[in-house]
Amino acid sequence: DAGITQSPRHKVTETGTPVTLRCHQTENHRYMYWYRQDPGHGLRLIHYSYGVKDTDKGEVSDGYSVSRSKTEDFLLTLESATSSQTSVYFCATSPTGNEQYFGPGTRLTVT
Amino acid sequence: QKEVEQNSGPLSVPEGAIASLNCTYSDRGSQSFFWYRQYSGKSPELIMSIYSNGDKEDGRFTAQLNKASQYVSLLIRDSQPSDSATYLCAVTGTASKLTFGTGTRLQVTL
Repeated sequence: DAGITQSPRHKVTETGTPVTLRCHQTENHRYMYWYRQDPGHGLRLIHYSYGVKDTDKGEVSDGYSVSRSKTEDFLLTLESATSSQTSVYFCATSPTGNEQYFGPGTRLTVT
Repeated sequence: QKEVEQNSGPLSVPEGAIASLNCTYSDRGSQSFFWYRQYSGKSPELIMSIYSNGDKEDGRFTAQLNKASQYVSLLIRDSQPSDSATYLCAVTGTASKLTFGTGTRLQVTL
């Protein structure tokens, strides 16, 4: 267990509002990832980080931005939430870039 | 063609039987392979990793890798009702990024 927490765990927001999700880890893992999970699509990578201030896009990055100012925190921001961003969001961390360990998830509903 | 393919199931096996879960992948350059278990409403949990051809055993779980056939499998021996979950196959591609299959739902019946 990688000691990963996500906040908030549940959120309901309105279309057009900005939303920030936080991932916090206590394992000093170098790599951090944000995924979304939707029925029929499985887990899809949004953005990832391979070090402090080093981030890159995943396969579904449009409408999302990230920041990592310190090792333990990785923030995901929905710049202007849309209904298509209703999903379950998972953060994951990895010490090596291979095996990944997941946080408990955030259920986001955009109305 | 999906990069990582799994039969969505459900795969139903009786308690005590062997469950066999299969996964194929398209990127021949993939080097690392993982199986995750995900209970309904919970996050994925890493249960097996395999990096070279052959079998790797851990308790009741055996992962099998055949890179020539681009095929990974997970065997669960003596299946228990607590094994009922969705099993996700994941494969590393480029830049330490994992690609996941959509998962196979396993039901272990009493």
